[in-house]
Amino acid sequence: DQQVKQNSPSLSVQEGRISILNCDYTNSMFDYFLWYKKYPAEGPTFLISISSIKDKNEDGRFTVFLNKSAKHLSLHIVPSQPGDSAVYFCAASGGSQGNLIFGKGTKLSVKP
Amino acid sequence: DVKVTQSSRYLVKRTGEKVFLECVQDMDHENMFWYRQDPGLGLRLIYFSYDVKMKEKGDIPEGYSVSREKKERFSLILESASTNQTSMYLCASSLVASEQYFGPGTRLTVT
Repeated sequence: DQQVKQNSPSLSVQEGRISILNCDYTNSMFDYFLWYKKYPAEGPTFLISISSIKDKNEDGRFTVFLNKSAKHLSLHIVPSQPGDSAVYFCAASGGSQGNLIFGKGTKLSVKP
Repeated sequence: DVKVTQSSRYLVKRTGEKVFLECVQDMDHENMFWYRQDPGLGLRLIYFSYDVKMKEKGDIPEGYSVSREKKERFSLILESASTNQTSMYLCASSLVASEQYFGPGTRLTVT
């Protein structure tokens, strides 16, 4: 059973608008959450993370929100740019050794 | 700057061949991981290692083995390649309980 779910396989947004990517998880032991961005034919690159003791973390145009009671996190990109077009993976960690559980990804397309 | 390198970007092998995929990281990370990425399935963990000569099975270890003789190097071995192992293979490394850094990936095609 999937422990980390990204229910939207794709998302299309106009340049300059907000992109909101969602992620749900089932395991209440997860205490660290990450977002990765992946371009075709490249490895994923780390984007932003959040610890379960916080409900928001911001880095430039990227903000991650965590709602622990709903077991839900979201990534906001404002304003969206065509270079943001990529697949975004949500990941969660709950063990001391650092294994990550990944969602299946959401493909974001930002149209000029 | 963390660097994770993989031995090949693209590889074409025949069914039944033994295939070696190598991964090297230069940041003295304890943890190393091998994933495969397939469309619609996300990143699936094959094997991981927390220390030299140590390995643990991930979610899909069947048909694969690994070797970690040195801290910086983690090899993935396909003992007898099959067409269903055609995929993008991604190596990653990390310190204990922190973000993972990925290599550029190896696109393997088995014919």
